Amino acid sequence: GENVEQHPSTLSVQEGDSAVIKCTYSDSASNYFPWYKQELGKRPQLIIDIRSNVGEKKDQRIAVTLNKTAKHFSLHITETQPEDSAVYFCAASIRQAGTALIFGKGTTLSVSS
Amino acid sequence: EAGVAQSPRYKIIEKRQSVAFWCNPISGHATLYWYQQILGQGPKLLIQFQNNGVVDDSQLPKDRFSAERLKGVDSTLKIQPAKLEDSAVYLCASSPGFLDTQYFGPGTRLTVL
Repeated sequence: GENVEQHPSTLSVQEGDSAVIKCTYSDSASNYFPWYKQELGKRPQLIIDIRSNVGEKKDQRIAVTLNKTAKHFSLHITETQPEDSAVYFCAASIRQAGTALIFGKGTTLSVSS
Repeated sequence: EAGVAQSPRYKIIEKRQSVAFWCNPISGHATLYWYQQILGQGPKLLIQFQNNGVVDDSQLPKDRFSAERLKGVDSTLKIQPAKLEDSAVYLCASSPGFLDTQYFGPGTRLTVL
């Protein structure tokens, strides 16, 4: 079945450094790729998304790149801050009957000051 | 804009008991999703509704789980009978339509003893 793999599972950086999280997907029909941030005990919150007709999207310190040929997409966070510490999930739309999302297993990002 | 509402926030039951969760999506959102999030994993889709019709329930354990969305607004998810492995956070999300941003509710944390 469809699958999304996410790496790394944990990532520790110093404040001000950059962080990169990578995901690969299996369904070539996937065309929507959101990233969610989830703080402990809280709901997932969308931080950025990209659609298949775009190769890169940026929003202040956050950027996402998409390579449809290789079926992978990445989240880039620059100038990390302690409040960026959270679990980040990538997701890809799945064809099936609807267009729900399949999520990766998450990356725990820790930013130390 | 009010967010997705869910209740209860926490529930503890014994195995073989039944339990029901309620979700009120963002006003005007046609698409509603129920996800199961086991500790340390990404959300997993259980069922997707478009208005009051089921679009995808391929991953719903139909021998014990059921869901409905009356009048295309509120939705309930029921488990009967519950098993230990059902312990998880049950997240409801809504979006205006297919491939639109999904907004998550706070979730219901279920513990089955």
